[in-house]
Amino acid sequence: SAVISQKPSRDICQRGTSLTIQCQVDSQVTMMFWYRQQPGQSLTLIATANQGSEATYESGFVIDKFPISRPNLTFSTLTVSNMSPEDSSIYLCSISLSNQPQHFGDGTRLSIL
Amino acid sequence: GQQVMQIPQYQHVQEGEDFTTYCNSSTTLSNIQWYKQRPGGHPVFLIQLVKSGEVKKQKRLTFQFGEAKKNSSLHITATQTTDVGTYFCAAEFFNNNDMRFGAGTRLTVKP
Repeated sequence: SAVISQKPSRDICQRGTSLTIQCQVDSQVTMMFWYRQQPGQSLTLIATANQGSEATYESGFVIDKFPISRPNLTFSTLTVSNMSPEDSSIYLCSISLSNQPQHFGDGTRLSIL
Repeated sequence: GQQVMQIPQYQHVQEGEDFTTYCNSSTTLSNIQWYKQRPGGHPVFLIQLVKSGEVKKQKRLTFQFGEAKKNSSLHITATQTTDVGTYFCAAEFFNNNDMRFGAGTRLTVKP
């Protein structure tokens, strides 16, 4: 199965700043997704990262707050912009081949002071 | 939007006891997947159920998909301390390719 490298693994940031999270896969994958998991909660899909075009965002998430890039089939980034304490969460990228289950990276644990 | 309900939210058992978590949807599912997340870890894929009435086993874990493809369960026989974690179901619906995660069941096991 594909190896997913997500970084940073954790960070502590000041409010009002932005952080870009990277997700690198060691092989080409069809689908890449970004999730948020707030403390003690389930996973919520932020967006589907589309290769070469704008990401598809879920209700409640907007591009200005969570810009996403996917320049090729092995790499994607998620930026958390203008952070506030409410953005403190684990952010996870996941991958999927066509009609196959999703597999997750290790996640980025983000704390905003 | 479409959701999947998962119960119970928490389950605390004595080592050796059985454990079951349930997921239910009001609409028919394309498939359902189960994940385990250890404390401090990320969700790890366990199994995917696709067929109506499907039953799959992995050692002490038994996964079932209902006949109507609206509900599913995960049963662990004779729990061990290594079973500790949060178990999530994740449902795929026919009208889109998104997965919707259940709220998760957090299992703790007392030695």
